[in-house]
Amino acid sequence: KAGVTQTPRYLIKTRGQQVTLSCSPISGHRSVSWYQQTPGQGLQFLFEYFSETQRNKGNFPGRFSGRQFSNSRSEMNVSTLELGDSALYLCASSLSVERGYTFGSGTRLTVV
Amino acid sequence: QKEVEQDPGPLSVPEGAIVSLNCTYSNSAFQYFMWYRQYSRKGPELLMYTYSSGNKEDGRFTAQVDKSSKYISLFIRDSQPSDSATYLCATTITGTASKLTFGTGTRLQVTL
Repeated sequence: KAGVTQTPRYLIKTRGQQVTLSCSPISGHRSVSWYQQTPGQGLQFLFEYFSETQRNKGNFPGRFSGRQFSNSRSEMNVSTLELGDSALYLCASSLSVERGYTFGSGTRLTVV
Repeated sequence: QKEVEQDPGPLSVPEGAIVSLNCTYSNSAFQYFMWYRQYSRKGPELLMYTYSSGNKEDGRFTAQVDKSSKYISLFIRDSQPSDSATYLCATTITGTASKLTFGTGTRLQVTL
């Protein structure tokens, strides 16, 4: 059974650029969540999509956005990159909260 | 103050030891409690899931939740070098079940 797939694994961008990250959830999972992980703040919730609709949103600026397609694949976009956006971005998919969330290996974004 | 507090460690124990990992939380509305294990360069992997107060056992792992004191614990019996990883507690409120709030993680090293 394929897990959660995130692409690309590593990314280096320049301050001011924008970036798009991709996540393919486990087949049948309709909920996709995104998290940012940094050494200082740990894992922080960005947003969650369910059936192409944003269902929950964390406390991040509007530069962070996402979307979900009809096949449940999701993308996350960060515009006007700042140095502080350097982090591991993790995607998780789930059937239900009782089943827990399965995370991908993440995309490591470095902003220079 | 973070909603979920976790000692970052590192915690070093000899092989075969019993490991106790703990978190405290401040929001009494949290209902679902999880423990994740994260190896270097990997996404978090769900270890244990509990709902409300009580104990849950799965092999060498036991999760405990004490809602009266807002305390979450994970016990690992007969620890193995392969258990060396960062352990993250996570919790969420019913109704916003997709928005997990994580502790910062405890780094565990099991030595031979």
